[in-house]
Amino acid sequence: EVQLVESGGGLVQPGGSLRLSCAASGFTSGAYWMTWVRQAPGKGLEWVANIKQDGSEKYYVESVKGRFTISRDNAKNSLYLQMNSLRAEDTAVYYCARVLSWYSSPFDYWGQGTLVTVSS
Amino acid sequence: EIVLTQSPGTLSLSPGERATLSCRASQSVSSSYLAWYQQKPGQAPRLLIYGASTRVTGIPDRFGGSGSGTDFTLTISRLEPEDFAVFYCQQYGGSPPMYTFGQGTKLEIK
Repeated sequence: EVQLVESGGGLVQPGGSLRLSCAASGFTSGAYWMTWVRQAPGKGLEWVANIKQDGSEKYYVESVKGRFTISRDNAKNSLYLQMNSLRAEDTAVYYCARVLSWYSSPFDYWGQGTLVTVSS
Repeated sequence: EIVLTQSPGTLSLSPGERATLSCRASQSVSSSYLAWYQQKPGQAPRLLIYGASTRVTGIPDRFGGSGSGTDFTLTISRLEPEDFAVFYCQQYGGSPPMYTFGQGTKLEIK
């Protein structure tokens, strides 16, 4: 059974940093593009970043470029999101998900999400 | 950037009825790269449909997707109690990757 479990969320002050992790099981995570998607409280979904199977290609939504870094460790079946210079508008539930097939396809499995709150 | 507009914002129906949800794009969606997700309260989204009309394995056949160009539709032929949720459409397929979601349609029990 495919499972994705996020961790690392919490309360952080504006300008602070946080690192999210996503543990994958039930499939060979190194064979798939992976992604992060976020959802502000009571709002819709926003794609954040994608990473290629070997980590050599990374893509970001404009609003997080230069502040967030997606990475992965296939030996540990893990995906990460390093978030720096956090802003109030980054407050959201962050989901990791598996990209269905090719690099720009939809997301077929999702984790349960981890809440990031940016507030003083 | 393609903007997706979903309508209606809220749809109130009874179990057994047919639901029709709309997703309109601000410009043509190439190759019908349009997906639909269902999200229940406190849960992650679940992929239902991709390629505008291809149902994900395990999704009941009462869920159907159609459309092309700028107008897409998700139809639930006969609503079951577990179908009530928020539904999002998503445009994908850009190079480099760029995904946009609609604002969602809440399907509630009447």
